[in-house]
Amino acid sequence: LAKTTQPISMDSYEGQEVNITCSHNNIATNDYITWYQQFPSQGPRFIIQGYKTKVTNEVASLFIPADRKSSTLSLPRVSLSDTAVYYCLVGDTGRRALTFGSGTRLQVQP
Amino acid sequence: DTGVSQDPRHKITKRGQNVTFRCDPISEHNRLYWYRQTLGQGPEFLTYFQNEAQLEKSRLLSDRFSAERPKGSFSTLEIQRTEQGDSAMYLCASSSPGTGKPNYGYTFGSGTRLTVV
Repeated sequence: LAKTTQPISMDSYEGQEVNITCSHNNIATNDYITWYQQFPSQGPRFIIQGYKTKVTNEVASLFIPADRKSSTLSLPRVSLSDTAVYYCLVGDTGRRALTFGSGTRLQVQP
Repeated sequence: DTGVSQDPRHKITKRGQNVTFRCDPISEHNRLYWYRQTLGQGPEFLTYFQNEAQLEKSRLLSDRFSAERPKGSFSTLEIQRTEQGDSAMYLCASSSPGTGKPNYGYTFGSGTRLTVV
C-alpha cells in the first residue's frame, strides 16, 4: 500500500486559498488519490478523487503532477466551517480498502 | 435513502461484556467497510465485505472481533469480552464500484462511540 505524508496541521484565515500537499512516492499504477474531510464526532466525508492532472468540483480542486508522487488539495476562499481534518488516501479501491493516515488538521480563523 | 446508518450512536459497557453494532449501508452499495478511530488518529481499517463475502480483514481484527453481513445488506460488528483498549469510534462506510474505474469514494456513517469502563 502506498504510504502518504501530509502536514500535521495548517492555519489559515477566512477568505484565503488553502493548499494541502500530500506525498505518496510509491504510488502504484492502478492507485487513485482520494481526499476526505472529517469534522469532530462525524465520519469522514468524500471531497474529491483523481488519477492525474487536475480535477475540480464544487468544493475543491486536486492537482496531480505527471509523476503522481504527490498531490495538492486546493480549497478556495475557506470559511470557518472548513476547519476540519483532511485526509489524503492512495490506493486501488477496486481491489483493497483504503488506509487512512493521521491527516492534516486545518484551523481557519476569522 | 438517507445515507449510511449506524446504531447505536453511543454505547457504554463494562469490561468483559459483549457488544454488537449495526450498520445499514446505502441500499445500492455492494461494499461495506468497518473502521475504528481513536481520539486524534485517523480511521483504522478493520474489515470489508463485498455483498455477503468478507474479502479483507486487518490484523487489528483480533479473535474477539467478528463481523457479518448476511444477505449482503446490513452488517453487524461484535466485540466479545470487551477491554478498555476497545474504546473508540467504530465507523461504517459503504461504496459501489464505478463503471470502468475504482470506487468513487466511500460514504461513511456517523459512527458508534464505544466506551468500555
